[in-house]
Amino acid sequence: KAGVTQTPRYLIKTRGQQVTLSCSPISGHRSVSWYQQTPGQGLQFLFEYFSETQRNKGNFPGRFSGRQFSNSRSEMNVSTLELGDSALYLCASSLRFMNTEAFFGQGTRLTVV
Amino acid sequence: EDQVTQSPEALRLQEGESSSLNCSYTVSGLRGLFWYRQDPGKGPEFLFTLYSAGEEKEKERLKATLTKKESFLHITAPKPEDSATYLCAVQAVETSGSRLTFGEGTQLTVNP
Repeated sequence: KAGVTQTPRYLIKTRGQQVTLSCSPISGHRSVSWYQQTPGQGLQFLFEYFSETQRNKGNFPGRFSGRQFSNSRSEMNVSTLELGDSALYLCASSLRFMNTEAFFGQGTRLTVV
Repeated sequence: EDQVTQSPEALRLQEGESSSLNCSYTVSGLRGLFWYRQDPGKGPEFLFTLYSAGEEKEKERLKATLTKKESFLHITAPKPEDSATYLCAVQAVETSGSRLTFGEGTQLTVNP
């Protein structure tokens, strides 16, 4: 059974640009959450999507957005990139919205220069 | 606000030297406590979920326990391949969905 797939694995962007990251959850999983991981802040929750609707949102500025498609695949977008957005972005999938166990992908390493 | 504190920040062990990692948490009502293992440059790998005080779970050399205020991850006779960062996370009863609050992690190094 395939795990959570995130693409691309690595990205280098210039300050001010925008970026789109993709996540394909485990087959049959319908909830997708996104996290940002940095050395100073650890893992921070960004948002969660279920049934194509954002259900939860963390404490991040509006430059961070996402969406979920009917096949449960999800994308997150960061506009007007800042140097501080450099991080490992992780996607986690869960079977249901209130399901407690989350399984993570390998992440996308974003570097903003 | 939910809080998770892990200690120590880093731990060095000799192969075969057993030890424990600590995860202290503050949450209004605990729905679940989770342990993950993370290797450098990779996503966290799910290890255990604990739901209520007194619960224990084991997997190979790892054993996780839970009390009302903390959880321990016991590592028995560790091997070099157990070297990784171990993350603890909680989910509160009032949390909508699958949102997790993570601790900073314990970086474990096992020397041969």
